Amino acid sequence: DAKTTQPPSMDCAEGRAANLPCNHSTISGNEYVYWYRQIHSQGPQYIIHGLKNNETNEMASLIITEDRKSSTLILPHATLRDTAVYYCIVRGGGATNKLIFGTGTLLAVQP
Amino acid sequence: DGGITQSPKYLFRKEGQNVTLSCEQNLNHDAMYWYRQDPGQGLRLIYYSQIVNDFQKGDIAEGYSVSREKKESFPLTVTSAQKNPTAFYLCASSMERTASPLHFGNGTRLTVT
Repeated sequence: DAKTTQPPSMDCAEGRAANLPCNHSTISGNEYVYWYRQIHSQGPQYIIHGLKNNETNEMASLIITEDRKSSTLILPHATLRDTAVYYCIVRGGGATNKLIFGTGTLLAVQP
Repeated sequence: DGGITQSPKYLFRKEGQNVTLSCEQNLNHDAMYWYRQDPGQGLRLIYYSQIVNDFQKGDIAEGYSVSREKKESFPLTVTSAQKNPTAFYLCASSMERTASPLHFGNGTRLTVT
């Protein structure tokens, strides 16, 4: 499975869009990009995933570059409750589902 | 509400004792997983199971054991052979199909003294 690189921390003002970058330059053609977040002392929460196309759901948007070597998670209107560690993970679509977590980005939403 | 239940949330044990962590899901998911998280680090895979009565070792299986007698349940036993058992343990499940995301429980924090 490919590895990812994320900044260790980011700040965002409440109400503004939070853009979290992720590099995955060794991603393979059949590997998906997943985003999870974890609030302290809770289990990770699934946010969104994609293969090639940009994706949007009720929580966030995922923008994947054309060469698929990087992606950006966008929280359109960040709130204080979005303060968490955000993990970007790449994983093949096979049945094993071995998610390999890095150390993620700590997003601090400021009032 | 469908979900994954881990119990208890906090668990304390003396060194040398085995301890079993519970994980139950009512999502009708085929696959279940156990991860371990240490402070400031990401999650590491201990064991996973894709079907009842079958399971596979993950990256750090030494000192742990599991069983999968029912689809809904995947208990993890931390044995006395685990050198550093104090950690946050997370259970997850997923549908057994391509790209299906994992859904996590809220974890059990185990402290061994």
